[in-house]
This record gives sequence, structure tokens and C-alpha cells, in this order.
Amino acid sequence: SQTIHQWPATLVQPVGSPLSLECTVEGTSNPNLYWYRQAAGRGLQLLFYSVGIGQISSEVPQNLSASRPQDRQFILSSKKLLLSDSGFYLCAWSRTRQASYNEQFFGPGTRLTVL
Amino acid sequence: GENVEQHPSTLSVQEGDSAVIKCTYSDSASNYFPWYKQELGKGPQLIIDIRSNVGEKKDQRIAVTLNKTAKHFSLHITETQPEDSAVYFCAASNRDSSYKLIFGSGTRLLVRP
Repeated sequence: SQTIHQWPATLVQPVGSPLSLECTVEGTSNPNLYWYRQAAGRGLQLLFYSVGIGQISSEVPQNLSASRPQDRQFILSSKKLLLSDSGFYLCAWSRTRQASYNEQFFGPGTRLTVL
Repeated sequence: GENVEQHPSTLSVQEGDSAVIKCTYSDSASNYFPWYKQELGKGPQLIIDIRSNVGEKKDQRIAVTLNKTAKHFSLHITETQPEDSAVYFCAASNRDSSYKLIFGSGTRLLVRP
């Protein structure tokens, strides 16, 4: 069966510090990968998605970047955090583009607080 | 592009009653409609989904209906239990943008014991 991991689970960082959040998927190959952000009490905002190694699409211009160095690894980064980067960051995966339906499965999330 | 609207934003029901959450979508090419349950501090969990070639799908106490003509779909929870309390999100996607799910804004369901 497939599992998705995210770490760290929680993170408190000062404004201006760098960020690196990691997501890994087990039990599948060549998945589509996604990063979402969820503000407190709000919906899900798609930040980035990737259909393969080194292939990243950005949905929203922002202070963040994403990378996919390995097939089942997805990293969210920032060089300098802003207060507005606080939120709950969720990674998700789905089967390859050959799938007819986009069933997405979410990880446990990382709660980021920027002070 | 696709837009998904979800209602109500909050819903409070007595334990044992039914709960219904409704979503409408704008893109007639959408063909896949999942529902997610998110408990506090956790990632969303896929609880049920429906594809455009069927009108209804049921899994124990939860069911989803789809009206393609009206472009709306609904989640029905019967015999609600306190553990059903959570935020529920609907979403839609289509073949042309198969990488993306467009989410509704969420419904906070409270089941009162």
C-alpha cells in the first residue's frame, strides 16, 4: 500500500530565515506530487505540482519554491520567510497522468509558524 | 477555469440526524468529484468520490449524488455520530487539467451528542 510522509510535523521559524519541508511517498512510482497551503480555518490553496523529476509548475507567485530531486521526493523551500508564510502545508500525491481520474491522497501536514 | 462553490459553511446537527453538504461546479468538462474529511490538525482524508458516468454512490452511512445537468453534487451522511464532526471539502477535476483538483471552501460539521 502507498504511504505519504511529511516532516517536520511542526516548525516555528523567525522572519527572514530559510525553510525546507520534505515530503516522500512510498509504495508507488512516478506519482504526481502537490504542495498545498491551508491558512487557519480556510480552504486549500494549490502552490506547486510536479509530474516528474525536475518538472515543477507553480500555481501562485510567492516567496516559496519547490523541487523534486527524486521520483518520490518533493521539497518546499524558501530563502527568507515572511509572516504571511505561516500556515498548514500539505503534500499530496496522485497516480500518473495516464490515470483517468485524479484521486489525490494527502500527507499529515506541517504546521509552520513564522514569528 | 473551474470554480467550485460549497454550502453551507457550517452545519450543526443532532446525533442520529442526517447531514447534507452541497457543491456546484462551473466546468461542464469536469468528470471526477471527490469528498474529503479533515479532522483538526490532520491532512484531508478521501472518504468517497464519484465519477461523471454515475449518478449516485454509497458507502455505508455516506453517499454522494451527482446531477451533471445542474452541475451540482452532494454529500449525504446518515445516522450521524460525534466522530463525524470535522471539516468536509468537495472538489472537482477534469481530463483537460487532470493534475489539479479545484476545492470548495469547506463545511464545518458539528454533530451534537
